[in-house]
Amino acid sequence: DAKTTQPTSMDCAEGRAANLPCNHSTISGNEYVYWYRQIHSQGPQYIIHGLKNNETNEMASLIITEDRKSSTLILPHATLRDTAVYYCIVRAYSNSGYALNFGKGTSLLVTP
Amino acid sequence: DTEVTQTPKHLVMGMTNKKSLKCEQHMGHRAMYWYKQKAKKPPELMFVYSYEKLSINESVPSRFSPECPNSSLLNLHLHALQPEDSALYLCASSQDMGLTGSSGYTFGSGTRLTVV
Repeated sequence: DAKTTQPTSMDCAEGRAANLPCNHSTISGNEYVYWYRQIHSQGPQYIIHGLKNNETNEMASLIITEDRKSSTLILPHATLRDTAVYYCIVRAYSNSGYALNFGKGTSLLVTP
Repeated sequence: DTEVTQTPKHLVMGMTNKKSLKCEQHMGHRAMYWYKQKAKKPPELMFVYSYEKLSINESVPSRFSPECPNSSLLNLHLHALQPEDSALYLCASSQDMGLTGSSGYTFGSGTRLTVV
């Protein structure tokens, strides 16, 4: 699995868009980008994933650069409940093994 | 049912005790996982079961013994633990070990273990 680099922490004002960057410059062609978040003392929660194209769901949008070396998770209207650690994970598409391995993540603080 | 249920939520055990953590899901998922998470650190993979067979063991000490009695249940048996084993133990499940479906992994809320 490719390694990811994320800022240690970020702040965002409530109601504004939160843009969380992730660098994965060693990503391979068959590796997906996954985003999870973990609210304090809870289990991680799946947010979104993508391979090449930008993706959007009810929680967030994922923008992947054309060279796939970086991506940005966008929370369009951050709320206080979005305060959490956000993990960007890259892993290969395979049925033969390898589970999700978490990096250090970005601690997002949404302020009133 | 779209949840992974872990019991107990909290556990305090002595270093000579034997205890078990339990994880249950009824989503028909065929892959189940144990992770260990120390305070202010990311989750670390311990074990993976695929179709009720141990698929990955990340060099975990033998005082941790996983068991998958059926496709819905995953246990983690604990014996002769050390204080440094105190952590949040997370269980997760997925449809299989491939990236099928859009939901990825579903995690439980974890068991907070304290070894005294």
